[in-house]
Amino acid sequence: DSGVTQTPKHLITATGQRVTLRCSPRSGDLSVYWYQQSLDQGLQFLIQYYNGEERAKGNILERFSAQQFPDLHSELNLSSLELGDSALYFCASSGQGPGETQYFGPGTRLLVL
Amino acid sequence: AQKITQTQPGMFVQEKEAVTLDCTYDTSDPSYGLFWYKQPSSGEMIFLIYQGSYDQQNATEGRYSLNFQKARKSANLVISASQLGDSAMYFCAMREDPNTGNQFYFGTGTSLTVIP
Repeated sequence: DSGVTQTPKHLITATGQRVTLRCSPRSGDLSVYWYQQSLDQGLQFLIQYYNGEERAKGNILERFSAQQFPDLHSELNLSSLELGDSALYFCASSGQGPGETQYFGPGTRLLVL
Repeated sequence: AQKITQTQPGMFVQEKEAVTLDCTYDTSDPSYGLFWYKQPSSGEMIFLIYQGSYDQQNATEGRYSLNFQKARKSANLVISASQLGDSAMYFCAMREDPNTGNQFYFGTGTSLTVIP
């Protein structure tokens, strides 16, 4: 158990809908990262927050947004969902340890029908 | 150019044998970190081992060791005494200098199958 929690574990929704994925980092970790893993794109970095502020941005679509709250949990909002958004979405957190190693949550499997 | 390259899509190893999974990286930052993660069929991403660019010795964690060759920009993972539970996808990753972005880059992964 990495100490990172993600909810829900599974999500099935329809095209055009909006969903929110939630992540709680490991105790003491200030950084939260979001990733998308699909079969054809591999593991794609979406965005990073550090202590409530956006720190790095990757291949995040405009339909997607994220935020980190004062209690350090983070939410990833996906809107106007398309079939191609079906993927495994990971949250990871890191602290001040060696290399700022990222520890991953169990992921949320999103299926868009 | 790809930041992380894993050239072995699939590997097979006999149980109790050692196996090396290849990883090369591309960066111009003097300070960076290299990581290996394991993803079993259940889907979770499990951190295995870390190597800093300034570390003089190769990192080791139990049966895992990282063969770090800085001049060749390679960071191969060596798994000794393979076990059936080692069957999984393995991803190499790199973090560049946090002052220049702090983004993690992942390779495409290597699927390892341990044969009884």
